[in-house]
Amino acid sequence: EIVLTQSPGTLSLSPGERATLSCRASQSVNSNFLAWYQQKPGQAPRLLIYGTSSRATGIPDRFTGSGSGTDFTLTVSRLEPEDFAVYYCKQFGGSPLYSFGQGSNLEIK
Amino acid sequence: QVQLVQSGAEVKEPGASVKVSCQASGITITNNYMHWVRQAPGQGPEWMGVIHPTDTGTTSAQRFQGRLTMTRDTSTSTVYVELSSLRSEDTAIYYCARERGHDDKVFDYWGQGTLVTVSS
Repeated sequence: EIVLTQSPGTLSLSPGERATLSCRASQSVNSNFLAWYQQKPGQAPRLLIYGTSSRATGIPDRFTGSGSGTDFTLTVSRLEPEDFAVYYCKQFGGSPLYSFGQGSNLEIK
Repeated sequence: QVQLVQSGAEVKEPGASVKVSCQASGITITNNYMHWVRQAPGQGPEWMGVIHPTDTGTTSAQRFQGRLTMTRDTSTSTVYVELSSLRSEDTAIYYCARERGHDDKVFDYWGQGTLVTVSS
């Protein structure tokens, strides 16, 4: 089973600051199948990044994904008020077929 | 545009079964892998399983095998998930999601979620 561990659990920042979120896998993940989702209260997750570094349609370029192997990162270069949310990484290819991290809560300081 | 509209909240007793529906518009469910994902309170999402587009075969996470049934009705463009032998740990929001057909294994459209509460 591939376990995804995200850190930090909670990150408190101010608008305009830079956020760096980490996703570490218990074994190597195919970078083609590492994705990030954003979730706001009362909403379903929303696709942000796929294939480690490709932005989904409509996602602004302040969101950047990177990484390989077991270590992946989501960076938000200049936080906007609407970016404060919970972020999940997800992988495909292990057992179970898909697994999500436990999430990083990006909150306003 | 694509919409996935799910059925309403359910309250079930332990040991019972629950069936949640997800009606799709703007897509053809026979052309798409349709997934079920659940999210317990305060936790990350958990993938449950997928119904295949062409042969209605299914693949599910091992932990649900024996309790999980996924079906579809093409006449109403609706997919269903049924979970049996419910226990309190099954209390969660259940989502359907469409897998984008770019072979990148991402879910680009989601239903609004259905809260299932298991309580005596």
